[in-house]
Amino acid sequence: DAGVTQSPTHLIKTRGQQVTLRCSPISGHKSVSWYQQVLGQGPQFIFQYYEKEERGRGNFPDRFSARQFPNYSSELNVNALLLGDSALYLCASSLAPRQRGNTGELFFGEGSRLTVL
Amino acid sequence: AQSVTQPDIHITVSEGASLELRCNYSYGATPYLFWYVQSPGQGLQLLLKYFSGDTLVQGIKGFEAEFKRSQSSFNLRKPSVHWSDAAEYFCAVGANDMRFGAGTRLTVKP
Repeated sequence: DAGVTQSPTHLIKTRGQQVTLRCSPISGHKSVSWYQQVLGQGPQFIFQYYEKEERGRGNFPDRFSARQFPNYSSELNVNALLLGDSALYLCASSLAPRQRGNTGELFFGEGSRLTVL
Repeated sequence: AQSVTQPDIHITVSEGASLELRCNYSYGATPYLFWYVQSPGQGLQLLLKYFSGDTLVQGIKGFEAEFKRSQSSFNLRKPSVHWSDAAEYFCAVGANDMRFGAGTRLTVKP
């Protein structure tokens, strides 16, 4: 089975632009989470989605938004990019909280590396 | 609120030596605890996890970790380090909205 896939793998944007990152979860996983990892730091929780609804949100401004589609894939959008948004954006999939076998484990993709100039 | 502290930013060990990476957590209930490893430019790979039962858990690549509720700790250990273990190690707590520590970078000397 394929793992979590993210696209694009690398991208460069300028300040003020908007970016959309995409994520396809592991087959059978209904929950998708997004994390931001700034260089030299641990991943910071941005969003969790399952059943197409936002189920959790970290301490990020409203410039960050996301959605989940009926096939459980997800997009993360960031508007009005700032230099500080430069980071590795990680998508993780997991079983939804009430899915049989859920132990909370997250399965991560390789990430999308965003550089804002 | 749940949080994780990894007190050691960078650790250097010789190949073949033992390793212990420290992790302390703050969580209101019985925590779900995880250790992940990240090689440069890569995503995170799960080493091991704890959510109930035996407090000593075994993981992949010869790693183990011990959950100590009284000390709010979940330290990662390996008896003999290999050069390929050089990477960034992250401790995490929670389920689904997982919170990570800042990481410990492991360097392995030949």
